[in-house]
Amino acid sequence: NAGVTQTPKFQVLKTGQSMTLQCAQDMNHEYMSWYRQDPGMGLRLIHYSVGAGITDQGEVPNGYNVSRSTTEDFPLRLLSAAPSQTSVYFCASRRQGRDSPLHFGNGTRLTVT
Amino acid sequence: DQQVKQNSPSLSVQEGRISILNCDYTNSMFDYFLWYKKYPAEGPTFLISISSIKDKNEDGRFTVFLNKSAKHLSLHIVPSQPGDSAVYFCAARTRDDKIIFGKGTRLHILP
Repeated sequence: NAGVTQTPKFQVLKTGQSMTLQCAQDMNHEYMSWYRQDPGMGLRLIHYSVGAGITDQGEVPNGYNVSRSTTEDFPLRLLSAAPSQTSVYFCASRRQGRDSPLHFGNGTRLTVT
Repeated sequence: DQQVKQNSPSLSVQEGRISILNCDYTNSMFDYFLWYKKYPAEGPTFLISISSIKDKNEDGRFTVFLNKSAKHLSLHIVPSQPGDSAVYFCAARTRDDKIIFGKGTRLHILP
């Protein structure tokens, strides 16, 4: 079973370019979320969704958009990339039950020059 | 303002000994706590969790202790093995169902 799949694994963008980081899960999890990991900063929540059609902001949402049209997919969009968005991005999902851990993908390493 | 704090960026422990990783939190409304382990170039993997109604949860070599009055939790690994060398993240669930992470502690298991 695939779990949480993120594409691409690596991406280089120029400042001002746009792109979409893809995330798909095959576990029928209602809850999905995006984190970024930066050196010395841990994992910071960008956006999350508790079900199709519902999204909300996390700790660091600025510069990112999300949508949730299906249960399986939760893409993260950068409309105008900035060097400050250079990071490793992780998508995660979990069941909606109260005591349910997050399952993570293997990440997308993004560099903005 | 950081709500989940891991104040030790790194920890070195001899193989076979106990590893103790610590985590403090500021929000008394957190109701569920988790520990994750992360290897380079991989996503974090879930290790163990504890509900706020408990003070201890054990799974094999891993035990998590929760002290609500001190707003402190710890992860004990006994005995420590070379494969335990990784970054460990403490996390907590907020009332609005977000999971917030600490900055992580890098554990080195020494031969």
